[in-house]
Amino acid sequence: EDQVTQSPEALRLQEGESSSLNCSYTVSGLRGLFWYRQDPGKGPEFLFTLYSAGEEKEKERLKATLTKKESFLHITAPKPEDSATYLCAVQGGFGLIFGQGTELSVKP
Amino acid sequence: KAGVTQTPRYLIKTRGQQVTLSCSPISGHRSVSWYQQTPGQGLQFLFEYFSETQRNKGNFPGRFSGRQFSNSRSEMNVSTLELGDSALYLCASSPNLRGHQETQYFGPGTRLLVL
Repeated sequence: EDQVTQSPEALRLQEGESSSLNCSYTVSGLRGLFWYRQDPGKGPEFLFTLYSAGEEKEKERLKATLTKKESFLHITAPKPEDSATYLCAVQGGFGLIFGQGTELSVKP
Repeated sequence: KAGVTQTPRYLIKTRGQQVTLSCSPISGHRSVSWYQQTPGQGLQFLFEYFSETQRNKGNFPGRFSGRQFSNSRSEMNVSTLELGDSALYLCASSPNLRGHQETQYFGPGTRLLVL
């Protein structure tokens, strides 16, 4: 069964304190792993798509990496505006399969 | 380019009623998917439409249905509403240029409250 597990569920950082979010997945034939950011009451905002192990993508303070079993979202020197829920999803047989998300809080 | 739009943004209904939600995809996008988001279950796939045809369907009862029009706009309908249908309903569109699912871009969602 296709499955996505994210950890930790919640993460509190001080501004400037770098960290990583984990996304473990099991899927029969990876056809894409996606990272989204979601602010309260809003729809998910697309961040990255990764297709193959070893692939990396960067955007501002965020960097996503992919292995055969998991993906990491590295946040370098975060700012309070990076506070949000970060969602990981894989392309399953029928639609995207999402993890439960990591709620990130960055304090000044 | 305008993003995915959804109407209405908020809706309050009572049990037993039915509701119709609307989604306009990004211009040029041909695939539209619908998701339900609740605090307990997270984001769950409802169905996907491409070229006016339902291509995939998630594990939801038949009370949940949808359709897509020739301009790619989509609607979803929920009949005989239950309290558990209270959720954020999200629409996502993708170009679907290569015959398989690509990155999906989400709209702001419709918040449905069933009393």
